[in-house]
Amino acid sequence: ILNVEQSPQSLHVQEGDSTNFTCSFPSSNFYALHWYRWETAKSPEALFVMTLNGDEKKKGRISATLNTKEGYSYLYIKGSQPEDSATYLCAFMGSGGYQKVTFGIGTKLQVIP
Amino acid sequence: EPEVTQTPSHQVTQMGQEVILRCVPISNHLYFYWYRQILGQKVEFLVSFYNNEISEKSEIFDDQFSVERPDGSNFTLKIRSTKLEDSAMYFCASTGLAYFNEQFFGPGTRLTVL
Repeated sequence: ILNVEQSPQSLHVQEGDSTNFTCSFPSSNFYALHWYRWETAKSPEALFVMTLNGDEKKKGRISATLNTKEGYSYLYIKGSQPEDSATYLCAFMGSGGYQKVTFGIGTKLQVIP
Repeated sequence: EPEVTQTPSHQVTQMGQEVILRCVPISNHLYFYWYRQILGQKVEFLVSFYNNEISEKSEIFDDQFSVERPDGSNFTLKIRSTKLEDSAMYFCASTGLAYFNEQFFGPGTRLTVL
């Protein structure tokens, strides 16, 4: 059974604070890691697809890094805004069963104005 | 902007009944997925579908489940004899040219089995 862990499971930050959270996954048989942003009553929306060790991706104030050797990815949000409030999911694709996707439980972020 | 659609948004059924959940993926996408999320739990992979056949399935996807792409646009998930524990939110997703690309999710169907 593949274990994809996210921490923390929930987080409250003040508007303007920067924050980060972690996704850990099996370091063997890595193929790709996805980050999704999931607002309440909406569908998950892709943020990043990461495939190479050392990848760093950025979209506005949100960025992500990837370390496949040690099996973790960080998601950073700089200067959090209330509209960043959402659940952030990571999803792991391994090379054995490459279309099988394993999700973490998510980190629920609440940005307090 | 193209989007994945799902119908119905909410389905209530009696235990033992068959249900069909429908999805219309983005039109030029090639890979299709079904996921479910039981309340308070992780999103779980059920099945992936490519080139008109199942490419991967999870342990959850047993003989009571089946998928079909009957007409080149719809992608359906059939649950043959529903159980109470099938109550969950079911999401369809699709992706384009490469299976590891970002997935586009539909809004989900909430299935309630009584």
